[in-house]
Amino acid sequence: DQQVKQNSPSLSVQEGRISILNCDYTNSMFDYFLWYKKYPAEGPTFLISISSIKDKNEDGRFTVFLNKSAKHLSLHIVPSQPGDSAVYFCAASARNSGGSNYKLTFGKGTLLTVNP
Amino acid sequence: KAGVTQTPRYLIKTRGQQVTLSCSPISGHRSVSWYQQTPGQGLQFLFEYFSETQRNKGNFPGRFSGRQFSNSRSEMNVSTLELGDSALYLCASSPWTSGGITGELFFGEGSRLTVL
Repeated sequence: DQQVKQNSPSLSVQEGRISILNCDYTNSMFDYFLWYKKYPAEGPTFLISISSIKDKNEDGRFTVFLNKSAKHLSLHIVPSQPGDSAVYFCAASARNSGGSNYKLTFGKGTLLTVNP
Repeated sequence: KAGVTQTPRYLIKTRGQQVTLSCSPISGHRSVSWYQQTPGQGLQFLFEYFSETQRNKGNFPGRFSGRQFSNSRSEMNVSTLELGDSALYLCASSPWTSGGITGELFFGEGSRLTVL
């Protein structure tokens, strides 16, 4: 049972345009969400996070939107740059699921290619 | 500040053997997590340790085990290796102490295990 889904395995955009990466989740207990970027042969690198008490969080070119009723979040990258080409993972945590919960549930990732 | 260090970076084993992977967290970080990354399943949570205690465990067979030492360094062990254990094993550390996830995980570059 995949609780975090990234339905687009890949996405290709032109440099300077907006990249929108989507993520859906099924577990209503998830209350904290993160986006990670991963280059080949490297570990994932944190990009941005959002708590369920917010519906938007912005950091430079990166903005994450959360729609709790739809159990959907998205990552917007504006403007996209060739260096943004990487695999992007959505992750979720249920902090208040009874006791301490330090597990992140990841989606399978979306390969973003930004063409010059 | 040095990042998360994992050793070895690459290793090849044969079926039936066992393997031990090592992780040194960022100085001051007492929470260490392990994840398995495979092409088909994405990143899957193995376990999380804090102050030498396992706080969370993922859905992996008992062949997968781990431990944490008093200096927060961690090891994971896989016994009786199977072909399907071939994966990138990622270690991550964080400064979390209690209350669940409140920020990012800092990942190492991973240990690439190939089982023949």
